[in-house]
Amino acid sequence: DGGITQSPKYLFRKEGQNVTLSCEQNLNHDAMYWYRQDPGQGLRLIYYSQIVNDFQKGDIAEGYSVSREKKESFPLTVTSAQKNPTAFYLCASNLGPSSADTQYFGPGTRLTVL
Amino acid sequence: AQSVTQLGSHVSVSEGALVLLRCNYSSSVPPYLFWYVQYPNQGLQLLLKYTSAATLVKGINGFEAEFKKSETSFHLTKPSAHMSDAAEYFCAVSSGGSYIPTFGRGTSLIVHP
Repeated sequence: DGGITQSPKYLFRKEGQNVTLSCEQNLNHDAMYWYRQDPGQGLRLIYYSQIVNDFQKGDIAEGYSVSREKKESFPLTVTSAQKNPTAFYLCASNLGPSSADTQYFGPGTRLTVL
Repeated sequence: AQSVTQLGSHVSVSEGALVLLRCNYSSSVPPYLFWYVQYPNQGLQLLLKYTSAATLVKGINGFEAEFKKSETSFHLTKPSAHMSDAAEYFCAVSSGGSYIPTFGRGTSLIVHP
């Protein structure tokens, strides 16, 4: 089955630690996205990538970093500079830069700071 | 610039009653509009989308939405709520050169027996 996988499902981080969230897709999509979801705030865009080896900051990129070395993979690192990282993180993908494109979402990773 | 407003963070209905979730958008060019549903601790999945082919759009699970340009609205409806409809619903807009959608804050649908 084609789709997006995210791992781990739950992640716990200690203060000062960097953690990396995995996102893999086998839909052959060019574009991939990372969103942060907090209760009552909808989805906020962290980073997005249209093609391999290229990515752009979204609305809340501070304290996060990404890479796009392979078409199917778009990992997100939450660095110690992100002061309030506890949230639900969603990865998404679509075919490419078109306003009519549906986004396909992974199941999410819930990150908690201890 | 594009934006979307979902009226009501929570909507509560009885099982079998009409479901109406409101979404108003702002866009300087003709928009594409989407409704997504999110079940607890899961990702979002597409319910339906408007791409200018027809103003009344039918989606999965008996939901539909009507694009009204004069009211800049794209409200989601379902004639009869089912317990399994309880979830978070997000309206999103993308338009023109901005192929990245803007999401609303979401509306939580609560269905009472």
